[in-house]
Amino acid sequence: LAKTTQPISMDSYEGQEVNITCSHNNIATNDYITWYQQFPSQGPRFIIQGYKTKVTNEVASLFIPADRKSSTLSLPRVSLSDTAVYYCLVGLNRDDKIIFGKGTRLHILP
Amino acid sequence: NAGVMQNPRHLVRRRGQEARLRCSPMKGHSHVYWYRQLPEEGLKFMVYLQKENIIDESGMPKERFSAEFPKEGPSILRIQQVVRGDSAAYFCASSYVQDSFYEQYFGPGTRLTVT
Repeated sequence: LAKTTQPISMDSYEGQEVNITCSHNNIATNDYITWYQQFPSQGPRFIIQGYKTKVTNEVASLFIPADRKSSTLSLPRVSLSDTAVYYCLVGLNRDDKIIFGKGTRLHILP
Repeated sequence: NAGVMQNPRHLVRRRGQEARLRCSPMKGHSHVYWYRQLPEEGLKFMVYLQKENIIDESGMPKERFSAEFPKEGPSILRIQQVVRGDSAAYFCASSYVQDSFYEQYFGPGTRLTVT
């Protein structure tokens, strides 16, 4: 599983767009990039997954450059309820266990 | 379709007692994973099970911890002779694997406190 590096914490304000970047220099050819969100006292929740270029769903967008050595999770117009820990994971395949780092603690301010 | 269920949500045990944590995966899911999370830490993988089989237990402590996923019924994580260091949140996840898409669905967790 590729090692990932992401900021420990970020602050932002309601209504702004938040971008969280994750570095994964050792990503393998077959690796997917996945982001999970965890609210306090809850289990993680899948947000988005991608392989290359851009993926968008109702929650977020994921931007992946051509070399795939990094990825950026973009949350449009955040609200207070987006305060959570966001985990970047690389290398999930069939039957893989998930290796979680400490994630990025996002704190949204009013 | 109910999500992953875990019970109890909170469990208090005295040192030396046994803790038994239950996890019912989502309907149709046959893969179950257990993770442990200490305060302010990320989740740490413990064990991966399929029905009646332990696939990967590389994250499980060698002693006092065991897990099972019987043909019928929930998956059980058992901790014998608990110690204060076992106090943590224990999360269970289940998965439904498609060809090119992989996602684990997490339960709400069981918070174990050892006094």
